[in-house]
Amino acid sequence: AQKVTQAQTEISVVEKEDVTLDCVYETRDTTYYLFWYKQPPSGELVFLIRRNSFDEQNEISGRYSWNFQKSTSSFNFTITASQVVDSAVYFCALSEAYDYKLSFGAGTTVTVRA
Amino acid sequence: SQTIHQWPATLVQPVGSPLSLECTVEGTSNPNLYWYRQAAGRGLQLLFYSVGIGQISSEVPQNLSASRPQDRQFILSSKKLLLSDSGFYLCAWSSRVYEQFFGPGTRLTVL
Repeated sequence: AQKVTQAQTEISVVEKEDVTLDCVYETRDTTYYLFWYKQPPSGELVFLIRRNSFDEQNEISGRYSWNFQKSTSSFNFTITASQVVDSAVYFCALSEAYDYKLSFGAGTTVTVRA
Repeated sequence: SQTIHQWPATLVQPVGSPLSLECTVEGTSNPNLYWYRQAAGRGLQLLFYSVGIGQISSEVPQNLSASRPQDRQFILSSKKLLLSDSGFYLCAWSSRVYEQFFGPGTRLTVL
């Protein structure tokens, strides 16, 4: 069963607009980890952030911010003032306690137009 | 710092030919290692993972196999490629249950 759902397949915005990527997860474990990865056109996946299930603090890193809400099982990602270089496929992922494997969502393709 | 290498970067092979993709990690010891495949326009599919030398777990029954002859070396192989083996192959490493770090990938086209 799919554990991570990224309902948005593609998002297209104009430069400087904000864009929010949704991620909904499913797990029975009380300890788990959530991740976001970026895959630019070159193909290599770039790790962006890890969040532990016991830490619901939102996080901001430059133009990136993450909103973790256990009550709705969501871990959303916002890019503020988007730039063309933000164009990529973004993946949300989940790993459960003592499980080495990541369950990836299907990915959301973000296109930022100049 | 840790780095992960994959080669070759691109590969075009005929159906029925063998395959060997290599992945090596530097700057860490006893990492977990992973092979993923990404078909065109699709998500990531975990193929194999390894928690130690000679220890391989397969996630999907298929035409591929993996081996870990050394601590930081992970090899993906096939005796006879199928058209459906085409895709983008990514190797990754992690330190136990935390984030995985990915290599640059190999684009495989089977004709």
